[in-house]
Amino acid sequence: NAGVTQTPKFRILKIGQSMTLQCTQDMNHNYMYWYRQDPGMGLKLIYYSVGAGITDKGEVPNGYNVSRSTTEDFPLRLELAAPSQTSVYFCASSYPGQNQPQHFGDGTRLSIL
Amino acid sequence: AQKVTQAQTEISVVEKEDVTLDCVYETRDTTYYLFWYKQPPSGELVFLIRRNSFDEQNEISGRYSWNFQKSTSSFNFTITASQVVDSAVYFCALGRRPNTGNQFYFGTGTSLTVIP
Repeated sequence: NAGVTQTPKFRILKIGQSMTLQCTQDMNHNYMYWYRQDPGMGLKLIYYSVGAGITDKGEVPNGYNVSRSTTEDFPLRLELAAPSQTSVYFCASSYPGQNQPQHFGDGTRLSIL
Repeated sequence: AQKVTQAQTEISVVEKEDVTLDCVYETRDTTYYLFWYKQPPSGELVFLIRRNSFDEQNEISGRYSWNFQKSTSSFNFTITASQVVDSAVYFCALGRRPNTGNQFYFGTGTSLTVIP
């Protein structure tokens, strides 16, 4: 099983450029999440979704947008890239239920120069 | 507010030593879940264990064991007879369910290096 797949794995952007980080999962999970991980820090929740058509903000949503048109896909959009968005981005998914572990993709390492 | 503290930033041990990774959490929820994840040098996050707030039984899985104590709001992780393959960053996380979704709050991680 592929699990959670993120593309691209690495990307360098110039300040002000836009891009979309792709995330797809094949586990039929209702819930999906986007996190960022800064050096020496834990993961911070950017956005999450409890199902197709439903998204909500996490801890650090500013500068990002998401959409969820299908159960499988949860892309993250950066509209005007800023150096502060240099980070490693992780997508995760889970079944509903507070006790459900989140399953993570391998991450996208993004640098804004 | 929810918070997870992993006070140990980096730990180094010699192979075959035992090591305990500390995790202290804060929450006002009565129902919550605690998780440990491993992030090896390759970067992916691997789920290790979950524990709910009503179950304070310790758990052992091979060389890994977990000690959950509500009285001290701690969920510590012990690796017995450490091996080089245990070298990784370990994250503790608190899971809660607000109105929608399952929100995880991660600690800042403990980087474990096992020296051969």
